[in-house]
Amino acid sequence: EVQLVESGGGLVKPGGSLRLSCAASGFTFSNAWMSWVRQVPGKGLEWVGRIKSKFGGETTDYAAPVKGRFTISRDDSKSTLDLQMNSLKTEDTAVYYCTGVDTFYSFEMWGQGTMVTVSS
Amino acid sequence: DVVMTQSPLSLPVTLGQPASISCRSSQSLVYSDGNTYLSWFQQRPGQSPRRLIYKVSNRDSGVPDRFSGTGSGTDFTLKISRVEAEDVGVYYCMQGTHWPLYTFGQGTKLEIK
Repeated sequence: EVQLVESGGGLVKPGGSLRLSCAASGFTFSNAWMSWVRQVPGKGLEWVGRIKSKFGGETTDYAAPVKGRFTISRDDSKSTLDLQMNSLKTEDTAVYYCTGVDTFYSFEMWGQGTMVTVSS
Repeated sequence: DVVMTQSPLSLPVTLGQPASISCRSSQSLVYSDGNTYLSWFQQRPGQSPRRLIYKVSNRDSGVPDRFSGTGSGTDFTLKISRVEAEDVGVYYCMQGTHWPLYTFGQGTKLEIK
């Protein structure tokens, strides 16, 4: 069974940092492109960023609102995906979902999400 | 960036009746390989999103056949042939054609009348 389990969410002050993790199981993680998608409570879905597989050079891309502040990385030996978030803003408050990007450029797999609250 | 526009944003439906959600993109979603990477997601209250449809019209495993997707180019539709109580939630379209900038529609909230 495919599972994506996020962790690391919490309360952080504006300007602070937080690192989210996603533990993957039930599929060949090393072959998968992975993404983070976020959702402000009560609002819509917003793509945050994506990392390709090692075969794809582990290339990363980010949405404009987070570029330069957020960094996605992966550890294929542990089947984990990380999201390092720096210089956090109140508008980064959201539930962050770990997702798998399939060959149809879509998000087939989703985690349960982890809540990040940026507030003073 | 590609903008995805859904309508309606709120959809009250009587149980057993059909429902239809429109999704329009600001640019063609036909990729260089000839495929169209348009997906539909369902998010039930309190749950993570779940994909229903990929590549315009392909249902994911376990998705009831009352859900269907159609469309081409810039205009797409998700149809539910007979709405059931478990269909309550928010539905999103998403384009993957213009990756790596994946974009979602605003969401359509389906509720039972």
